Amino acid sequence: GAVVSQHPSRVICKSGTSVKIECRSLDFQATTMFWYRQFPKQSLMLMATSNEGSKATYEQGVEKDKFLINHASLTLSTLTVTSAHPEDSSFYICSASSGSNEKLFFGSGTQLSVL
Amino acid sequence: SQQGEEDPQALSIQEGENATMNCSYKTSINNLQWYRQNSGRGLVHLILIRSNEREKHSGRLRVTLDTSKKSSSLLITASRAADTASYFCATAPNRGATNKLIFGTGTLLAVQP
Repeated sequence: GAVVSQHPSRVICKSGTSVKIECRSLDFQATTMFWYRQFPKQSLMLMATSNEGSKATYEQGVEKDKFLINHASLTLSTLTVTSAHPEDSSFYICSASSGSNEKLFFGSGTQLSVL
Repeated sequence: SQQGEEDPQALSIQEGENATMNCSYKTSINNLQWYRQNSGRGLVHLILIRSNEREKHSGRLRVTLDTSKKSSSLLITASRAADTASYFCATAPNRGATNKLIFGTGTLLAVQP
C-alpha cells in the first residue's frame, strides 16, 4: 500500500516557540492532504484540507494563523504550529489521498508536548 | 457535530471470540470505511463499503451497512491478541470531496490472550 511519512514523531517545545510537522507521500502523488488533531482516547478532528498549490481550507473553529499549512508539492505538506502554548499539546496526524482514491493513507502521527 | 458515534466505547474479549463494533452516522454518505489505530500511531485502512452495498467481507472482517438506519457494524471473527487496537468508522459525504472523511468516536478493543 501507499506510504505516508510524518516527522517528527514526537516533539517537546517551550511555550511561545513554533513547531513544524512534515507529511510526505513517499510513493504516490498526493493531490489532497488532511491534517487532524486527536486528544487522548478521542476521535480524530479534522483541522484543515490541504490541496497542492492552493490555500488550505480550515474547519470551523481552527485558527489559520495559528496552524499554518503549506502544500508546496504533490508529495509534501507541512503544518506549523505557531507560538505554541500548552493547550496546543496534542497528537497531530496527517493523511493523504491521490486523485479519486477514496481511502486515506495516514502518517504515523506527531505527539506535540508544549511546556 | 456531524461526528459519528460508535459503541461500545470499549470492549474486552478473550482470544478466539468474536468482536462486534457498531457505528451510527448522521448524514447521507457515499461510502463508509473502517480504520484501525494502534496506540500512539496513525490509522490503517481496513475496509470500505459503498452506500449501495449491504455487506462486505475481508479475511476475518465482516462489515454491514444499513443506510436506512444510518448504521454500520464491524465484526472481527476469531480474534487475536494482535487485534488489540482502537477501531474507527469514517463516512465519506455524498456530495463534495468524497475523501473528506468524518470519523466516529471509536471503539477500544482489548483482546486478552
